[in-house]
Amino acid sequence: QKEVEQDPGPLSVPEGAIVSLNCTYSNSAFQYFMWYRQYSRKGPELLMYTYSSGNKEDGRFTAQVDKSSKYISLFIRDSQPSDSATYLCAMSGTGGFKTIFGAGTRLFVKA
Amino acid sequence: NAGVTQTPKFQVLKTGQSMTLQCAQDMNHNSMYWYRQDPGMGLRLIYYSASEGTTDKGEVPNGYNVSRLNKREFSLRLESAAPSQTSVYFCASSEPTGGGTGELFFGEGSRLTVL
Repeated sequence: QKEVEQDPGPLSVPEGAIVSLNCTYSNSAFQYFMWYRQYSRKGPELLMYTYSSGNKEDGRFTAQVDKSSKYISLFIRDSQPSDSATYLCAMSGTGGFKTIFGAGTRLFVKA
Repeated sequence: NAGVTQTPKFQVLKTGQSMTLQCAQDMNHNSMYWYRQDPGMGLRLIYYSASEGTTDKGEVPNGYNVSRLNKREFSLRLESAAPSQTSVYFCASSEPTGGGTGELFFGEGSRLTVL
């Protein structure tokens, strides 16, 4: 079993839809939870960074962490064609340097 | 600022050939990383360097060596390339904060094909 599970999609939605992306994990030592966005043929870029449980909102993006269920989510409101990309969840523990990534979900937002 | 720069961007090798991927960052970060990205596998850590003068194995180190040349530069060497090493390689850097690795800043990737 992988430490981090993420549905690779692809996920196709119409413009303006609410998008929900999810990951599950098995290692209870993870404390830092991140979402990276990767456009085609580019390197990943950090979208959201949260510590421990709870919600974090940044514009149209909301990240949720439920440590009791070992489940994290990223919500995108009013999705735009420019949101079309691969979204990778990532997580790490304290005091270490090994960030573990999910496989990434490929999202297409149709105009 | 250029951020993280990787060279070369593309490379085709024959089985058994060797090559070195170069990475440099201009953000004065202490930590640097090499990942490989394969379809359906996400990013997997090959090696990392927590600080200048140190290197450690990640999840998939076999067949690779690294050198932290100085604070700015971190190279990845394939001594005898194999088709299984066909992948996209990403270098990243970060400044660890608050007990975590901090935000990872990635280069644009090096696409390697081993025939």
